Amino acid sequence: DAGVTQSPTHLIKTRGQQVTLRCSPKSGHDTVSWYQQALGQGPQFIFQYYEEEERQRGNFPDRFSGHQFPNYSSELNVNALLLGDSALYLCASSLAGEETEAFFGQGTRLTVV
Amino acid sequence: AQTVTQSQPEMSVQEAETVTLSCTYDTSESDYYLFWYKQPPSRQMILVIRQEAYKQQNATENRFSVNFQKAAKSFSLKISDSQLGDAAMYFCAYGSPNTGTASKLTFGTGTRLQVTL
Repeated sequence: DAGVTQSPTHLIKTRGQQVTLRCSPKSGHDTVSWYQQALGQGPQFIFQYYEEEERQRGNFPDRFSGHQFPNYSSELNVNALLLGDSALYLCASSLAGEETEAFFGQGTRLTVV
Repeated sequence: AQTVTQSQPEMSVQEAETVTLSCTYDTSESDYYLFWYKQPPSRQMILVIRQEAYKQQNATENRFSVNFQKAAKSFSLKISDSQLGDAAMYFCAYGSPNTGTASKLTFGTGTRLQVTL
């Protein structure tokens, strides 16, 4: 049983560019959440997707957007990248109605130069 | 809004000894869950243990146990018989059934645990 998989594992982008990160949830899970973890900090909730819609959002600007596909996989898009967007981006999946455990991927390390 | 505070940036323990990691939180809700996650260098968050607020009995998972003090809003993690593989960042997290519990977590800043021989 594959767990949560994220791609790519690392990438480097230039300030002002756009980036797309991808996440496949654990088999059987239908809810995907995205977190940003800056160096030396705890993860910060960006948003959550369920039934292909953004259901909840944390305190992040509109430059951060997402999408969920019918197979429950998800994308995180960040436009107009800033140096401060450099972080580890974590994806977590869970099953609606049984949300007492979330499974995390290994994250995507984004470096903005 | 809920907040989670971990006041110990770094802790060290000798192999086979016991260590306690501290966590306090603030919430106005009466029903919630608390979690401890481990993040090794591989970066993947791994659930260590979880506690339901309405359960008075402290959760235990093998060598890991918690001391949940609801009135004091304290949730500490005790690791017994520490092993080299326990070395990692440990994050305390809060989840509310009103917002999907584990699908929207509020994390603390973490405690780095070193395990020495």
